[in-house]
Amino acid sequence: GQNIDQPTEMTATEGAIVQINCTYQTSGFNGLFWYQQHAGEAPTFLSYNVLDGLEEKGRFSSFLSRSKGYSYLLLKELQMKDSASYLCAVRVRGNTPLVFGKGTRLSVIA
Amino acid sequence: DVKVTQSSRYLVKRTGEKVFLECVQDMDHENMFWYRQDPGLGLRLIYFSYDVKMKEKGDIPEGYSVSREKKERFSLILESASTNQTSMYLCASSERRSDRGVQETQYFGPGTRLLVL
Repeated sequence: GQNIDQPTEMTATEGAIVQINCTYQTSGFNGLFWYQQHAGEAPTFLSYNVLDGLEEKGRFSSFLSRSKGYSYLLLKELQMKDSASYLCAVRVRGNTPLVFGKGTRLSVIA
Repeated sequence: DVKVTQSSRYLVKRTGEKVFLECVQDMDHENMFWYRQDPGLGLRLIYFSYDVKMKEKGDIPEGYSVSREKKERFSLILESASTNQTSMYLCASSERRSDRGVQETQYFGPGTRLLVL
């Protein structure tokens, strides 16, 4: 089976930096995605990694190490609107559905 | 912008009723997916489709069926709704993978929150 692990909940302070980790054990690997989901809404795409290294996109960055089966999402200069669930998802092989982790609920406090 | 729409945001049905959840995408995507999302269980794949009239079972297809008669529309059917099918249902679509190596992310609809009484 496919297994994707991420912490269930995290809390961080407005203006700070937070790192959300994701580890995966899958039968193949063809890319890793991060999604943001606000309560009661649909997931929206944040980032994509297929090669090792860091991808930066404004306040958000995502890192991948394929040899370690590990990724993280880094959120800088946290804002209250960043309070949401963050979903890690892996594409195991080409043109197959994404396999999702259970999500990390991030609470940003003043 | 990609747009995925679902027929209802909220739905209340009775046990034993036949339920249709409709999903339409306007980006000519080949792939379409149905997930359900439950607290503590995350997103679980019910069915997906790579093309018109094609369907594949996901991780939890029991109690569900699907229909894809047109490329833009993917329907989820609960033949006889049960209380354990109370959930948030999310439809998604994506392009078929190309050799260009372009990322093919899945785009989600707003979700249908179904309550079965």
